[in-house]
Amino acid sequence: NAGVTQTPKFQVLKTGQSMTLQCAQDMNHNSMYWYRQDPGMGLRLIYYSASEGTTDKGEVPNGYNVSRLNKREFSLRLESAAPSQTSVYFCASSEVGTGEFGYTFGSGTRLTVV
Amino acid sequence: EDQVTQSPEALRLQEGESSSLNCSYTVSGLRGLFWYRQDPGKGPEFLFTLYSAGEEKEKERLKATLTKKESFLHITAPKPEDSATYLCAVPSNRDDKIIFGKGTRLHILP
Repeated sequence: NAGVTQTPKFQVLKTGQSMTLQCAQDMNHNSMYWYRQDPGMGLRLIYYSASEGTTDKGEVPNGYNVSRLNKREFSLRLESAAPSQTSVYFCASSEVGTGEFGYTFGSGTRLTVV
Repeated sequence: EDQVTQSPEALRLQEGESSSLNCSYTVSGLRGLFWYRQDPGKGPEFLFTLYSAGEEKEKERLKATLTKKESFLHITAPKPEDSATYLCAVPSNRDDKIIFGKGTRLHILP
């Protein structure tokens, strides 16, 4: 009953470094999402994947790339980290569309860029 | 533009002091409204889905209600463990993704 698993839970990067945030779900969901959450800003969609093989930009995609590796896995890459990317990152998944229960979220990755 | 607005931003209550959180939305043809609970350091956790005006759902001390323009999350005789951020969300008709409100931070004092 893992649901959505994100790794790592915490990460500190220096400006300019790159890293990939990993996300995997075991619910056979079609759609997957990456959000960032900042104080006072709420959840903001970075990228999403409606189904395996497709990805689309969300509200704040600049500075990020994604890969839908297979139906279970959806990764988020920061090619050259900037302090403005300090945030808490959440991965989520859902059945087709929004589903009866909305999204199932992972526990988050807290990223600090110094 | 599809939008979800929650109020108040933060609410402090004494244990046992009942209150309500508000979620107003502007989306045509509502296809559901979701409530989530988010504890510090964790991801949002699903609470309720409401589909039509007049619908109510309950879970322990929480009751969610829905009208044509807003939803309320009523908290009856809250306990400190009810302290969390409560998020409201609706599916957008424009692109079938969920639009989240910014949440209400609820703090219950013992």
